[in-house]
Amino acid sequence: GAVVSQHPSRVICKSGTSVKIECRSLDFQATTMFWYRQFPKQSLMLMATSNEGSKATYEQGVEKDKFLINHASLTLSTLTVTSAHPEDSSFYICSARALAGSRNNEQFFGPGTRLTVL
Amino acid sequence: AQSVTQLGSHVSVSEGALVLLRCNYSSSVPPYLFWYVQYPNQGLQLLLKYTTGATLVKGINGFEAEFKKSETSFHLTKPSAHMSDAAEYFCAVRTSGGSNYKLTFGKGTLLTVNP
Repeated sequence: GAVVSQHPSRVICKSGTSVKIECRSLDFQATTMFWYRQFPKQSLMLMATSNEGSKATYEQGVEKDKFLINHASLTLSTLTVTSAHPEDSSFYICSARALAGSRNNEQFFGPGTRLTVL
Repeated sequence: AQSVTQLGSHVSVSEGALVLLRCNYSSSVPPYLFWYVQYPNQGLQLLLKYTTGATLVKGINGFEAEFKKSETSFHLTKPSAHMSDAAEYFCAVRTSGGSNYKLTFGKGTLLTVNP
């Protein structure tokens, strides 16, 4: 199966700082990458959808200025949590969808990044 | 709009017993349906999916699910539970041809397996 990596796997930061999370598709090119947020014992909530070379599309209620998404290449998307606060502490998961017509358009998920804001 | 309802946030079975995790969906167009498994502090792994064709879908680790359009259901089963099956399971729906192929997830069902 396809491999998606996330870095870092775990990060602890002070309130007010910014944190960048990387999502990479290692063995395929991803037209689209998705960013999810998961609170403890809850489901995944889609935050935004990013297509390579264009602006991300954010879900209702997600602050685009707080959660900056960049999808600069077909194998890399980044999520930057700006001016993080304790309420931003969560498990962030990315997924990547392969180019149209390949790998059955399936989404492949990264292992997640645990963000803790003190 | 599409939605997914997973009945039972927690299911507990004995090792060797039947596993049944329930999922009902709502979709205005033919859905693609998925079951994912998540182990603690990890991402999601695809167990199986239904797109078109045969309504009984077999996945990894002995799991299978049956798409029942009349019942709008896609329940996940396994004949005999193993300790390693203990995890969180998520049902998801994607409307075929939907914008960017977004997935909508259910709230998840935590499966515990007792020795």
